[in-house]
Amino acid sequence: GQNIDQPTEMTATEGAIVQINCTYQTSGFNGLFWYQQHAGEAPTFLSYNVLDGLEEKGRFSSFLSRSKGYSYLLLKELQMKDSASYLCAVRRLREGGKLIFGQGTELSVKP
Amino acid sequence: DTGVSQDPRHKITKRGQNVTFRCDPISEHNRLYWYRQTLGQGPEFLTYFQNEAQLEKSRLLSDRFSAERPKGSFSTLEIQRTEQGDSAMYLCASSPPGVMTSGANTGELFFGEGSRLTVL
Repeated sequence: GQNIDQPTEMTATEGAIVQINCTYQTSGFNGLFWYQQHAGEAPTFLSYNVLDGLEEKGRFSSFLSRSKGYSYLLLKELQMKDSASYLCAVRRLREGGKLIFGQGTELSVKP
Repeated sequence: DTGVSQDPRHKITKRGQNVTFRCDPISEHNRLYWYRQTLGQGPEFLTYFQNEAQLEKSRLLSDRFSAERPKGSFSTLEIQRTEQGDSAMYLCASSPPGVMTSGANTGELFFGEGSRLTVL
């Protein structure tokens, strides 16, 4: 089996930086994904890590440590539109590319 | 729009009725996935297809659930004798063939807008 843990809720202020953590326990690790999901909408892909280190895409960065089973998503210069659920998901080898998702972190950005 | 499309977007039914959802994946994607999502939870994997072959079914998928992808293109998910506990968002996703550890093809899943089921 596999466990994926992330905080249920977070609150941050517009313009600030927020870090959303994700820990996982799995065998056959083959990649970690972050998705953003606004209420009532489809999840949309944000980032992907399969090797240790930091991946940066504009205001969003994602970090992975495979030895620690740990990832984080860093959001800079927060905007109100960043209020959404952020989903951490793990892919394993030989499972046809399916992703197993955590419960999601509901981020509220306040003015 | 050439994204993943799902139909219907909303379905309200009475307990005991059968419902069917359809998913049209992105045309060049050979893998298709069904997930279920309830409020405040992440998507839960149900099943996936590679071309027309159904390669894995979750234990969540009781015998009342059946999915098909007869020609390797669109897929249907049918729920027979619906129960109130089936109320959820049913998400379809697709992905292209091949996964690379670097480069453009990450093997990410592309999701549709979902079909929301309410069982009364």
